[in-house]
This record gives sequence, structure tokens and C-alpha cells, in this order.
Amino acid sequence: QLQLQESGPGLVKPSETLSLTCTVSGDSITSKNYYWVWIRQPPGKGLEWIGTVHHSGSIYYNPSLKSRVSIFVDTSKNQFSLRLTSVAAADTAVYFCARTDYTLTWFDPWGQGTLVTVSA
Amino acid sequence: SSELTQDPAVSVALGQTVRITCLGDSLRSYYASWYQQKPGQAPILVIYGQNTRPSGIPDRFSGSSSGNGASLTITGAQAEDEADYYCHCRDSTGNLALFGGGTKLTVL
Repeated sequence: QLQLQESGPGLVKPSETLSLTCTVSGDSITSKNYYWVWIRQPPGKGLEWIGTVHHSGSIYYNPSLKSRVSIFVDTSKNQFSLRLTSVAAADTAVYFCARTDYTLTWFDPWGQGTLVTVSA
Repeated sequence: SSELTQDPAVSVALGQTVRITCLGDSLRSYYASWYQQKPGQAPILVIYGQNTRPSGIPDRFSGSSSGNGASLTITGAQAEDEADYYCHCRDSTGNLALFGGGTKLTVL
């Protein structure tokens, strides 16, 4: 059964870079035509899509974050990662990783999520 | 418009039927998917495609679409269905993803 697990620092200082990793277990990150996704949720608010990546190099980013975000795949470790630069308090959120396919029309499964707080 | 609109809150009596709606232009091009999220938990997929339930999702959950709208229907709502529900759709202009603002479902 496919499982995803987020990891990374829970506290980041303003203006610094947020870095998170999602470890995929139960299947290869290069399997079939799956794509890999980052989604976040500020405390008490709704879901916001951050970006989607395929191991071939195809990447799609949320236009509102595009200047600060990068997502990349490490096939040797069966992981994909998120980097968000110049963070501010508004970037405080639970960050989820998830899987989709070439249709980009669903997300399943999701990781449990990890809370990242931006604070000095 | 690249937005999905949901009612913020809906309530239903135990055992009754409730419909949660999602509106957006992208729904004319792509089916919605629906996610259930309980406090402190990750969202789980409950409906995708024309009306497909992932394994383990009860058959009281169903989906439909028409024009620029999509609906999630719970037939015979149970206490454990009380949660936030989010719709999602692929943006019709490209490879982007859109989420609705979420609907808080209360089971009375």
C-alpha cells in the first residue's frame, strides 16, 4: 500500500528558506504515470495547491508562489522535495504531500501533513 | 474565472440526505474530486471522476456534475460524516489545481 510521509523543520525564521521532503513507500516514485504534489493549509483555513512534479521533469507551480517555490524529485531515494524561499508568517501552514496521475484530477493518498511555523 | 465556490457551512439531520455543491468555470471541462477532512487529520479522497468512490469509501457518498457545477451527495448521513469537505478541479486553462474554500458539514 502506497504511503507518503513528510519531514523537515517545524520552525523557520522569516526571510529564510523552507525545505520539506516527502518519502514515498510501497511503490516507486517512477511507477506508472504518477505525479507528485505539495498542498498546504494555513491554520483554520482551506487547502492551497503549491505544485505538481513528474519524475521526467514536468513541473507545474501555483502562479501565486511560482517566484519562490521549487519542487524536485530524487529517484534514488524515492523522495520528492519542496523549497520555498523568503518565507513570511503567511507561509505558516500544515504542508501535505500527495499523489495524482496524468489526468491531474484527484489526489490520493495524502501524507499525514507537517506543521511549519514561520517565526523569529 | 479560476475559482471554485462552496457554501461555507451546511447541516443535515442524522439519517437524512445532504448535497454539498461546488461552482466554477473549470468544472465545464473537468470532473471535480471531493475530499473529507476531519480535525487534525489529512484530507481523504471520497469521490473522483464521473462518480467513482475509492476503495473503503461507503456507498452513501456519490457525486454528480452539470454545467459549471458539481455536487457531493451523502444519502443517509451518519455522525461520522461530520467534517469539512473540499472540492478540487483541474484548471481548464492548464495544468494547475484549484480547491474550493471548503464546506463544514454538521450532522444534527
